[in-house]
Amino acid sequence: GAGVSQTPSNKVTEKGKYVELRCDPISGHTALYWYRQSLGQGPEFLIYFQGTGAADDSGLPNDRFFAVRPEGSVSTLKIQRTERGDSAVYLCASSIRGLPDTQYFGPGTRLTVL
Amino acid sequence: DAKTTQPNSMESNEEEPVHLPCNHSTISGTDYIHWYRQLPSQGPEYVIHGLTSNVNNRMASLAIAEDRKSSTLILHRATLRDAAVYYCILIRGYNTDKLIFGTGTRLQVFP
Repeated sequence: GAGVSQTPSNKVTEKGKYVELRCDPISGHTALYWYRQSLGQGPEFLIYFQGTGAADDSGLPNDRFFAVRPEGSVSTLKIQRTERGDSAVYLCASSIRGLPDTQYFGPGTRLTVL
Repeated sequence: DAKTTQPNSMESNEEEPVHLPCNHSTISGTDYIHWYRQLPSQGPEYVIHGLTSNVNNRMASLAIAEDRKSSTLILHRATLRDAAVYYCILIRGYNTDKLIFGTGTRLQVFP
């Protein structure tokens, strides 16, 4: 079946611009996660959704980052006033209910802020 | 959350067994040991998990020390496709809501 998909696969933007990153989870998965991965590091947790609500947003670095999941399936990660330090691969994962269920990751969106 | 320690890198030749160690000396009784791996330019993928007993699946085996303070992921015959970063992660039952990745072990496989 279809796995987790993320669009775009690559995004190049200029400092100060607004970007949206999209995640399509596996159908029927209630839990959705966003992680961020910098070069040479493991993924870092950003936010976790259970259904439509953000159950844990403790990993969002500041108020420029926001994520939504209005219908409990597709999620959008929104970054305002992008900074060069936001450049990273943004990974989305979904699982049937939540941990300890297996998380299935998408291929990521590589964001480059010039 | 309990911490895990892994070597930064390991090397293997193709078709040889690989033993990837993980230390987790502060593990609690309800912590599950999970392994994920990340192939180049891909998102992480689940490999295996266990609690106390050794586990086998089609990808790998997981050997857990009797005191649970360490574990070893075993790839029985490494292939070039197994070259990846392997992450050992502790998950506390249903009381964890995120995976906490360290820097993992980068496995190189030589033909």
